[in-house]
Amino acid sequence: DTEVTQTPKHLVMGMTNKKSLKCEQHMGHRAMYWYKQKAKKPPELMFVYSYEKLSINESVPSRFSPECPNSSLLNLHLHALQPEDSALYLCASSHTDNYGYTFGSGTRLTVV
Amino acid sequence: AQKITQTQPGMFVQEKEAVTLDCTYDTSDPSYGLFWYKQPSSGEMIFLIYQGSYDQQNATEGRYSLNFQKARKSANLVISASQLGDSAMYFCAMRERFSGGYNKLIFGAGTRLAVHP
Repeated sequence: DTEVTQTPKHLVMGMTNKKSLKCEQHMGHRAMYWYKQKAKKPPELMFVYSYEKLSINESVPSRFSPECPNSSLLNLHLHALQPEDSALYLCASSHTDNYGYTFGSGTRLTVV
Repeated sequence: AQKITQTQPGMFVQEKEAVTLDCTYDTSDPSYGLFWYKQPSSGEMIFLIYQGSYDQQNATEGRYSLNFQKARKSANLVISASQLGDSAMYFCAMRERFSGGYNKLIFGAGTRLAVHP
């Protein structure tokens, strides 16, 4: 299995809702990442998990809460989002000792 | 701090011709990796090619080749024999390595390529 699977592919949520994005990989990668990408912009790093521990938080607002329950799963819990949080959320994984980055196909989030 | 620069917001090319997408970088780390990704309108990031800073030869993957000029800090992507399906956004990226066993991928602004029939 050489894929990173993200669900759901599309999500529309209200500003008072709580939702979660899910990311799964079975390649044995021990580093997992969340990126946010606004339209016509490059992806921006949000969080990095290494060996299930949060290693980087790029000053992301607390309404985004990451979770890594095991080495194959990465979640992003969303609460009280703003319309400007609407974006494509990409998950990626990599080996810790080489260059291999694999991206999922992303979740297109719309906050209304 | 590491930096990636793509100066071409948009490019177009005739089908079956070759096209070069520019990328320059800046880093003080002697060990680094450079990547090119393709992002179609559907959103997924598709890995195309990788060049390590110590690699002696330019990387090639099928119709993709990377013109790596280390002294000039450039890593241009060359796509030969363009196809209509090559129309997409292309990102150059550089890996920043951390001691905790993880990497941080830094992206350039991207170049949108349009292939015309």
